[in-house]
Amino acid sequence: DVQMAQSPSSLSASVGERVTITCRASQGISDYLAWYQQKPGKVPRLLIYRISTLHSGVPSRFSGSGSGTDFTLTISSLQPEDVATYYCQKYDRVPLTFGGGTKVEIK
Amino acid sequence: QVHLVQSGAEVKKPGASVKVSCKALANTGWFFHWVRQAPGQGLEWMGWIDPNTGASGYAQKFQGRVTMTRDPSISTAYMEVNRLTSDDTAVYYCARDPGLGDYWGQGTLVTVSS
Repeated sequence: DVQMAQSPSSLSASVGERVTITCRASQGISDYLAWYQQKPGKVPRLLIYRISTLHSGVPSRFSGSGSGTDFTLTISSLQPEDVATYYCQKYDRVPLTFGGGTKVEIK
Repeated sequence: QVHLVQSGAEVKKPGASVKVSCKALANTGWFFHWVRQAPGQGLEWMGWIDPNTGASGYAQKFQGRVTMTRDPSISTAYMEVNRLTSDDTAVYYCARDPGLGDYWGQGTLVTVSS
């Protein structure tokens, strides 16, 4: 099975700072990579699918990039409401594995 | 808009079984996926079921202990976990393929405690 390694596991950044989260697949997964945001006690929220397509209603400060095995979620200007845990997920074929998550906090 | 509505919280004793339901408010025929999240932990994909054929597949970790079924007449999928242990205490979600959109059930808390 393809494993998804997400890094860092946590980060602290200032409001307005650029934040980058990385997800690495153990094998190529084409372009079937999604990113989710989850706030405590809430259902995960889809941010991005197909590596870089922003889901409806997601602020444009979020962006995704990458190809093959290496993918990135970028928050161009961190806002207080972005405090959450972020997960990548492959969905090219089963199992639809998630990365381990990245907890983002405000410094 | 398609919504997924799950059954309510459950408290079970170790060794028991639990069955969680997920009703789709629109019959799209899309696969159901099940995901769980233990307290303070990440998201864990458990398996899938095709509501049209009943075909299913499971993450290796859950094979033999988890069964996914469906009742197409009421657009509902079920996920049953047998031989529960405290490690199965988690919120269980049903969800759709992310390529179809942002479709998640509200989550069902299953607590395993003696």
